[in-house]
Amino acid sequence: EAQVTQNPRYLITVTGKKLTVTCSQNMNHEYMSWYRQDPGLGLRQIYYSMNVEVTDKGDVPEGYKVSRKEKRNFPLILESPSPNQTSLYFCASTLRGGLSEAFFGQGTRLTVV
Amino acid sequence: GQQLNQSPQSMFIQEGEDVSMNCTSSSIFNTWLWYKQDPGEGPVLLIALYKAGELTSNGRLTAQFGITRKDSFLNISASIPSDVGIYFCAGRLQGAQKLVFGQGTRLTINP
Repeated sequence: EAQVTQNPRYLITVTGKKLTVTCSQNMNHEYMSWYRQDPGLGLRQIYYSMNVEVTDKGDVPEGYKVSRKEKRNFPLILESPSPNQTSLYFCASTLRGGLSEAFFGQGTRLTVV
Repeated sequence: GQQLNQSPQSMFIQEGEDVSMNCTSSSIFNTWLWYKQDPGEGPVLLIALYKAGELTSNGRLTAQFGITRKDSFLNISASIPSDVGIYFCAGRLQGAQKLVFGQGTRLTINP
């Protein structure tokens, strides 16, 4: 089954404790991206990757890092989480370099206390 | 920053009513996508539009790519309880690869 898988689904952590949210897709898509969803703001892009070893900042990249060592995986790293990073996070993948529909994971709800 | 204006932000309707929502922008888009998000889940693609003026249906859903390429609308006919959720429009700016999302329309249906 074609899917985008995120882990964990829920995470509560403390300020400053490094964390990683994993994302994996099995559709051989080139383009992957991370979004955060906050009430009234819709989905805002954090980082994206057009292919292996190619990543770039989205609209709200501050406080986040990503890596793309393999085509299928695109982890999101918070080196020193802060409460304003409490949000619902989605990973998405797209087939043709971003020029077709995006498929989303089920989301990771992160709370930073 | 946000370049799409989606309206309305929320809707409260009776079961069986038709629903209409839209997205507008001052910029030109070459793709419009409509997604639905159920509670606790990721957005799922409903309809994709690639040409100005294109009108596409998916069951009770109909979406159109505005002729000016700056807007799109989604209609849902004869709403049912499972239509509840948040609907997002997303567009791809001319010459760009990334998607820009609207703020979402939260649909609530009274049985």
